[in-house]
Amino acid sequence: KAGVTQTPRYLIKTRGQQVTLSCSPISGHRSVSWYQQTPGQGLQFLFEYFSETQRNKGNFPGRFSGRQFSNSRSEMNVSTLELGDSALYLCASSPGDRASYEQYFGPGTRLTVT
Amino acid sequence: AQSVTQLGSHVSVSEGALVLLRCNYSSSVPPYLFWYVQYPNQGLQLLLKYTTGATLVKGINGFEAEFKKSETSFHLTKPSANMRDAAEYFCAVSNNNDMRFGAGTRLTVKP
Repeated sequence: KAGVTQTPRYLIKTRGQQVTLSCSPISGHRSVSWYQQTPGQGLQFLFEYFSETQRNKGNFPGRFSGRQFSNSRSEMNVSTLELGDSALYLCASSPGDRASYEQYFGPGTRLTVT
Repeated sequence: AQSVTQLGSHVSVSEGALVLLRCNYSSSVPPYLFWYVQYPNQGLQLLLKYTTGATLVKGINGFEAEFKKSETSFHLTKPSANMRDAAEYFCAVSNNNDMRFGAGTRLTVKP
């Protein structure tokens, strides 16, 4: 099975712009979670989607949003970018039916905001 | 809500020495526990997980972890470190479809 893929891998944006990141989960996985990873804050949970519905949400401002499509692919959007949004954004998928299932991570998208 | 505390943001060991990475969790219900490893410029990869049953769990690359309910701990160990183990390690707890990660421990292996 193909793993979790994320596009693009690297991105440079300017403050005030918006950005959309994409994640394709492992085939058959219905849950997709997004995380922000920075040296200072570590790995922080953004949100999780299951069968096109947001099931869990972390403590991030409304500038961060996401969605999931019927084929389980997911996108996250960040509007009005700030310098502090520079981070590695990780997507993870799982079957989603049980909490005992592990998450499978993609390689991440490194976003740099200048 | 559950949470995870990893004791020690940096751990340094010599090649061949014991690796011990500490993880304590807080959960109101029986937890599912995981250890992940992250190599530079990569995503996280599962090392091992505890769901139910045997409390000593063996994972990939020679790592193992023991679930101790009385101590609310899930420490990761490896008897003999090698250079390839240098990476960042994350402990995670999951229940109710909500997975939470610790802050991570960076392992350095000295030759």
